[in-house]
Amino acid sequence: DAGVIQSPRHEVTEMGQEVTLRCKPISGHNSLFWYRQTMMRGLELLIYFNNNVPIDDSGMPEDRFSAKMPNASFSTLKIQPSEPRDSAVYFCASRLDRTRGQPQHFGDGTRLSIL
Amino acid sequence: RKEVEQDPGPFNVPEGATVAFNCTYSNSASQSFFWYRQDCRKEPKLLMSVYSSGNEDGRFTAQLNRASQYISLLIRDSKLSDSATYLCVVSRPYGNNRLAFGKGNQVVVIP
Repeated sequence: DAGVIQSPRHEVTEMGQEVTLRCKPISGHNSLFWYRQTMMRGLELLIYFNNNVPIDDSGMPEDRFSAKMPNASFSTLKIQPSEPRDSAVYFCASRLDRTRGQPQHFGDGTRLSIL
Repeated sequence: RKEVEQDPGPFNVPEGATVAFNCTYSNSASQSFFWYRQDCRKEPKLLMSVYSSGNEDGRFTAQLNRASQYISLLIRDSKLSDSATYLCVVSRPYGNNRLAFGKGNQVVVIP
């Protein structure tokens, strides 16, 4: 089975530009999570969807960040305008919420560098 | 107090030796616990879930101590391929839908 698929794998862009990260969750999974990982702060949850509906976006840093999940097989995380401090690895993860204790499965991540 | 705390290390372990480390969590109502492994420049991958009675998977043993609010991971007969960062993960209560990640214990197995 295909795992969580993220694109692009790497993104280097100048500050002020719009950045769009993409994620395809594992087929059949009904929860999707966007994380950001840096050396200083570790892995932080940005937003979480359940059945395509945003449930908790309290981790989204500010209005420059937005996320959508138009259907069960696709989600985007957008940063507009981007800033150098947004440089990080962004992971998407999905999970099947069938019973308690199900783990999350991560994509390979997008390594984002804002110059 | 942080939700999940880990000693970052590094833990330098001779090949073949045993290494163990703990992770403490702050919310006593947490329901689910996991250890994830993350290799350098890779994504986190589930290593094992942690059950109340403790569980073992090959050379890896996980324990949960609810009274003291910590979980532990023990690696026996360390292999060079065990070198990685081990992330302690705790589910937040009230829905089990959000996970809190520790910053990880870095393990370096030395030949």
